[in-house]
Amino acid sequence: GQQLNQSPQSMFIQEGEDVSMNCTSSSIFNTWLWYKQDPGEGPVLLIALYKAGELTSNGRLTAQFGITRKDSFLNISASIPSDVGIYFCAGQYGDMRFGAGTRLTVKP
Amino acid sequence: NAGVMQNPRHLVRRRGQEARLRCSPMKGHSHVYWYRQLPEEGLKFMVYLQKENIIDESGMPKERFSAEFPKEGPSILRIQQVVRGDSAAYFCASSQGAGYGYTFGSGTRLTVV
Repeated sequence: GQQLNQSPQSMFIQEGEDVSMNCTSSSIFNTWLWYKQDPGEGPVLLIALYKAGELTSNGRLTAQFGITRKDSFLNISASIPSDVGIYFCAGQYGDMRFGAGTRLTVKP
Repeated sequence: NAGVMQNPRHLVRRRGQEARLRCSPMKGHSHVYWYRQLPEEGLKFMVYLQKENIIDESGMPKERFSAEFPKEGPSILRIQQVVRGDSAAYFCASSQGAGYGYTFGSGTRLTVV
């Protein structure tokens, strides 16, 4: 099946720092998405990318759809305490597959 | 709130009992997906359904697990004769169709004692 490798597994950063995480796959996807999951809740969509090479921003978040269609990254600038949570990448080619998540901790 | 509704939020079952998890998709969405999440892990695809049809069940265990999405009413994920290893959070998502983004519910946390 389609495997998504997401890294890093976890990050511990200071408030105000920038964050970068990425996802790679051996398979091509038509769409890359990034979700955030807060404790006890379901994932919430942050950014969706539909074209190879596409770079999209949503506030302090920036994500890119890799040219090869096999990878994507998510950057968070000037982190704040409420950025804490688990970030999942997801690749879609028909149905959707998820990476294992990046657990972000932000220290005030 | 027209979001994806899952119930119950928490479900406790003894080993050997049946668990029934319900999911009502967003209004206008006819595609439903079920995922399982073990503690400290990502989301594992289980099954993809449209009304009255199972489209992809490649992630479903071969035994004890079944899913349906009837013409009327919510989608149901059924786990028969539950075992401790079934303890997990089960998330449902819905979409307008293939290629559209998913909206997730808040999940059902199943605990088998």
